[in-house]
Amino acid sequence: QSALTQPASVSGSPGQSITISCTGTSSDVGSYNLVSWYQQHPGKAPQLMIYEDTKRPSGVSNRFSGSKSGNTASLTISGLQAEDAADYYCCSYAGSNTWVFGGGTKLTVL
Amino acid sequence: QVQLVESGGGLVKPGGSLRLSCVASGFTFSDYYMSWIRQAPGKGLEWVSYITSSGSHTNYADSVKGRFTISRDNTKNSLYLQMNSLRAEDTAVYYCATYSEVQSSFDYWGQGTLVTVSS
Repeated sequence: QSALTQPASVSGSPGQSITISCTGTSSDVGSYNLVSWYQQHPGKAPQLMIYEDTKRPSGVSNRFSGSKSGNTASLTISGLQAEDAADYYCCSYAGSNTWVFGGGTKLTVL
Repeated sequence: QVQLVESGGGLVKPGGSLRLSCVASGFTFSDYYMSWIRQAPGKGLEWVSYITSSGSHTNYADSVKGRFTISRDNTKNSLYLQMNSLRAEDTAVYYCATYSEVQSSFDYWGQGTLVTVSS
């Protein structure tokens, strides 16, 4: 149950696009189409942004999109806005009713 | 609207025990798998445990297996986490979350309750 690997931080200017990567293994990210992404503002609970690799829950802006290739999933935020500044976590089903999260990425909007 | 309210956190000495509770409202609790997920101060999220909608199946992260027990009471819309043999490394905010089988994700989260293990 090793954590998924995410960059510690990313940054971008308003209006730009950024991508956060999430690297796992063939036992988790690479085995299932079950990667989800969560946004967490300071002092708040996480909020679901993407599920099943690429799907957006109702109410989440279409500026958020997910993709996956092999053992690496990615979250892309387009048209960056100040309110997007937060921590982002990926999560993957890892089999046998276990889940593993990434270490988190701090997004700074310059 | 969906609400999850955790309670039971606090300061406990190493080796001690604590029982967390999570009361749910705004949805049919008995239809949902539930999980506990924790976050150590300044650190990332860590999945801790899950329980099926009926309570018949559970599972745990290796880091807590044998020390923590998840349970639920669907008549009270409540989820529990019994934590025994607590260690300093268990210090964290503990969140309860719904697990949607339809979306295969943790779709609703409570605000969390802080557990501090220290002498």
